[in-house]
Amino acid sequence: DGGITQSPKYLFRKEGQNVTLSCEQNLNHDAMYWYRQDPGQGLRLIYYSQIVNDFQKGDIAEGYSVSREKKESFPLTVTSAQKNPTAFYLCASSIWGQREPQHFGDGTRLSIL
Amino acid sequence: DAKTTQPPSMDCAEGRAANLPCNHSTISGNEYVYWYRQIHSQGPQYIIHGLKNNETNEMASLIITEDRKSSTLILPHATLRDTAVYYCIVRGHGSSNTGKLIFGQGTTLQVKP
Repeated sequence: DGGITQSPKYLFRKEGQNVTLSCEQNLNHDAMYWYRQDPGQGLRLIYYSQIVNDFQKGDIAEGYSVSREKKESFPLTVTSAQKNPTAFYLCASSIWGQREPQHFGDGTRLSIL
Repeated sequence: DAKTTQPPSMDCAEGRAANLPCNHSTISGNEYVYWYRQIHSQGPQYIIHGLKNNETNEMASLIITEDRKSSTLILPHATLRDTAVYYCIVRGHGSSNTGKLIFGQGTTLQVKP
């Protein structure tokens, strides 16, 4: 079945440590997105990518980095510069520039040890 | 992107139709209405979207008023598994859009036996 796979489902980070969240899609979508969701809040855009080897900052990019070396993959690194990383991270993909909807993975929950 | 207003919570009896309203009075001509839902600790699930005509799929129906200032999502026969937070999102398409979805607080639908 086509879809978006995020891993791991749960992740713990120590102080000063960088961690990488995986996002893979087999929907052949050009665009991919990373959102952050805090308890009781809506989603906030971290980074997005329209095509391979290109990505743009969203509303809250500080302390995060991404890469887009393959169409299928859009990993997110939460760096030690992100001082409040505890959140639910969601990856999505879509056909860019069209009215087609974004489809989401099941998320990664990141906590601080 | 236009702002949406939804009631914070609604109840529905199992087997009955659930009608979830959304106001988007500042919607512009090229903006679509999207509905997603999110079950606790999962990623948002796309339900349906439309521009001005009513839409129906296997999950739900979307009724958009003629002036497009409001819409209603209809789940025709609600089940306990439909208990979730439902988000109404208005989004435009074009080169100036990042493509991000702006999730508000949504409506928490509780389906009761």
